[in-house]
Amino acid sequence: AQSVTQLDSQVPVFEEAPVELRCNYSSSVSVYLFWYVQYPNQGLQLLLKYLSGSTLVESINGFEAEFNKSQTSFHLRKPSVHISDTAEYFCAVSDYAGKSTFGDGTTLTVKP
Amino acid sequence: DVKVTQSSRYLVKRTGEKVFLECVQDMDHENMFWYRQDPGLGLRLIYFSYDVKMKEKGDIPEGYSVSREKKERFSLILESASTNQTSMYLCASSTRLYNAYEQYFGPGTRLTVT
Repeated sequence: AQSVTQLDSQVPVFEEAPVELRCNYSSSVSVYLFWYVQYPNQGLQLLLKYLSGSTLVESINGFEAEFNKSQTSFHLRKPSVHISDTAEYFCAVSDYAGKSTFGDGTTLTVKP
Repeated sequence: DVKVTQSSRYLVKRTGEKVFLECVQDMDHENMFWYRQDPGLGLRLIYFSYDVKMKEKGDIPEGYSVSREKKERFSLILESASTNQTSMYLCASSTRLYNAYEQYFGPGTRLTVT
């Protein structure tokens, strides 16, 4: 069985400030890790993923996440956020068959 | 570019009605999934399918059934809609090829049962 805990349900920050969205997972086997973003009135879209190799993964819009096996974490960070980053973010783990378990989501609100 | 479409963005049904939610993907993906999304509860898996005519129960299958007669289409059926099934329903697809695994989501169907 696998599970995901997103430690913050709401994260308000000011524009251009750094942000960290925290995610811990548990699994009895090796997993793949993902962050998805959901903008208002839209479905989820992939932000970044960790499958293997380098533990630091980056997205095209400046987000990065680091896989920490010993702490079973996959926190998402961005050094400077924009208003357009306001959205809900979901951390997920997937098994080898492709079945994913999602966290409850973190709402990031960027204020001017 | 993968496209997942859902038959309706908004749907209003009465208690006891039979409801069909349709999902179509155009990338020949083997896996398809149905989730419901409720505030504070994240995404909960209802049913998934690894291949045509195959289905497996997710975490909350009660009150739902599914059908996958063609690879590109995965239907969610509410046999007798109830007010506690008012929710956002998301369909997704993925492939097991190329170590991909990430899921591609449709825009969602917001179902209201009155």
